[in-house]
Amino acid sequence: DTGVSQDPRHKITKRGQNVTFRCDPISEHNRLYWYRQTLGQGPEFLTYFQNEAQLEKSRLLSDRFSAERPKGSFSTLEIQRTEQGDSAMYLCASTVRTGIVGNTIYFGEGSWLTVV
Amino acid sequence: AQSVTQPDIHITVSEGASLELRCNYSYGATPYLFWYVQSPGQGLQLLLKYFSGDTLVQGIKGFEAEFKRSQSSFNLRKPSVHWSDAAEYFCAVGPRANDYKLSFGAGTTVTVRA
Repeated sequence: DTGVSQDPRHKITKRGQNVTFRCDPISEHNRLYWYRQTLGQGPEFLTYFQNEAQLEKSRLLSDRFSAERPKGSFSTLEIQRTEQGDSAMYLCASTVRTGIVGNTIYFGEGSWLTVV
Repeated sequence: AQSVTQPDIHITVSEGASLELRCNYSYGATPYLFWYVQSPGQGLQLLLKYFSGDTLVQGIKGFEAEFKRSQSSFNLRKPSVHWSDAAEYFCAVGPRANDYKLSFGAGTTVTVRA
């Protein structure tokens, strides 16, 4: 499978626990994005990386959230001290940053988080 | 700031009938516009995108969309829907080409009846 891969697909955790999601982008894609989608809403941008550099973070990304892309390949999104409001699907996407206009971005199937 | 409004939360259409999903955007500069489809529990699949040029854009699965700057709209259409088109559809706007800090609408759920 050469698509964007996310793991785990589903996670149920107790409030206050930490969780980590992993995203493996398409090989050689240098840009990686994280989005959050709650029920009945469209995805909301959280953060993105170009290679290993985190270039922008949304104000939605509170201090409890941290994302990394240590070697410019896979990325992790960690949520500390989870709250019920963190229940959502976390989507990862990747694309190639080039001078060509109109590159396609590819989304993974998402990681569902339920905080109980 | 960029934003997207999808006025219709839910649309029901008969199989074989035409479909039109509305999308209005707010953005000060040239918008980069997208339509995505999402099946239950799945990620997003790109149907089509508009960056520049011809304002009528053809996409996959027989979908098309028309960019109307004067109306700040980018409506999605399909002449004849199939049962497999039942899904949630999202319109999104981006700030510039190849910048995927997208703003999505809340989505329109499409139900197809036999």
